[in-house]
Amino acid sequence: DADVTQTPRNRITKTGKRIMLECSQTKGHDRMYWYRQDPGLGLRLIYYSFDVKDINKGEISDGYSVSRQAQAKFSLSLESAIPNQTALYFCATSDPTPGYLETQYFGPGTRLLVL
Amino acid sequence: AQSVTQLDSQVPVFEEAPVELRCNYSSSVSVYLFWYVQYPNQGLQLLLKYLSGSTLVKGINGFEAEFNKSQTSFHLRKPSVHISDTAEYFCAVSPLAGGTSYGKLTFGQGTILTVHP
Repeated sequence: DADVTQTPRNRITKTGKRIMLECSQTKGHDRMYWYRQDPGLGLRLIYYSFDVKDINKGEISDGYSVSRQAQAKFSLSLESAIPNQTALYFCATSDPTPGYLETQYFGPGTRLLVL
Repeated sequence: AQSVTQLDSQVPVFEEAPVELRCNYSSSVSVYLFWYVQYPNQGLQLLLKYLSGSTLVKGINGFEAEFNKSQTSFHLRKPSVHISDTAEYFCAVSPLAGGTSYGKLTFGQGTILTVHP
């Protein structure tokens, strides 16, 4: 089984709808991240969480919110989806232990289309 | 703050030819450097990383990269590519330990490597 899973893998929604993307991990890592990938722009950080009680905004957090329900679960919400949020979304985890923190482990991604 | 520039958005190459994917970075602090690979319809996986020590780093699948501090570059190379190397490659940096940004990755725009038979 995959260490980092994302659900759903594909989603089509309409402008104005609320949508939640979920991420679960079995790696036992404290740190979790949400990125979006757009062609020609690489990956950009939306939110990150160092532990269950520590959540931080990334470079493009406007229009998004997150919830860290447990060490293993980190959800991303779009409160009112808009077309320019159409993108590929990735969840990632990392181990905060020095020497291991630098490597992030990615889920398979969720492809979101907002009409 | 950090920024990463991948100088080529697409690199087409024939099978068994050598390839170099270029990456330059800018940072006001010292950084760790990474290359990640994304195969079609998959998430990213770590190809190699430079933390300290020898500036020539070897990774998986025969790839290697060289850290050049004076030129702020971290170019990825492979002497002979295979069809299976077709993927998108991302260069990334992270500040060194001790700062509040430790562990946060800044990615480049990506380079699509297409290997033709």
